[in-house]
Amino acid sequence: KAGVTQTPRYLIKTRGQQVTLSCSPISGHRSVSWYQQTPGQGLQFLFEYFSETQRNKGNFPGRFSGRQFSNSRSEMNVSTLELGDSALYLCASSYEGVETQYFGPGTRLLVL
Amino acid sequence: KQEVTQIPAALSVPEGENLVLNCSFTDSAIYNLQWFRQDPGKGLTSLLLIQSSQREQTSGRLNASLDKSSGRSTLYIAASQPGDSATYLCAVTRTGTASKLTFGTGTRLQVTL
Repeated sequence: KAGVTQTPRYLIKTRGQQVTLSCSPISGHRSVSWYQQTPGQGLQFLFEYFSETQRNKGNFPGRFSGRQFSNSRSEMNVSTLELGDSALYLCASSYEGVETQYFGPGTRLLVL
Repeated sequence: KQEVTQIPAALSVPEGENLVLNCSFTDSAIYNLQWFRQDPGKGLTSLLLIQSSQREQTSGRLNASLDKSSGRSTLYIAASQPGDSATYLCAVTRTGTASKLTFGTGTRLQVTL
């Protein structure tokens, strides 16, 4: 089976812009979660989607949003980018969300 | 609020040594605990998952134990190799929000020749 894929792998944006990141889960997985990784805060949970519904949400501002499509692919959107949004964004997939989670390679976002 | 701590933050050992990485969590109401490794600039690779009802899991040279009552888990790596060099992260999930991983701070391991 193909692993979790994320596109793009690298992005450079400027403050105030918006960005959309994409995640394709392992075939058959219905749960997709998103995480932000920074040197200062480590890995933090953003949100989880299951069967096109947001099931869990972390403590991030409303500028961070996501959605999931019927084929389980997920997108994450960040509006009005700030310098502090520079991070590695990781997505993870699993069958139901409660088993082993498999991570993608991440999208590295740099905000200038 | 669940807090997960890993000690030590960094560790350097010569090849062939056995080693133990530690993970502590403050809330014992966990659903499961998962160990990952992360290579520089890469995503996470799942190593082992322990359900809250289990005491340990083994995969090859890796053995992970879980003691819920004391809020601790250990990852034992036998006969370390240079290819084991990476950052090791533990993560717990909570009953009721079992899809949400709360990560530890990580242990950066270097295995030298």
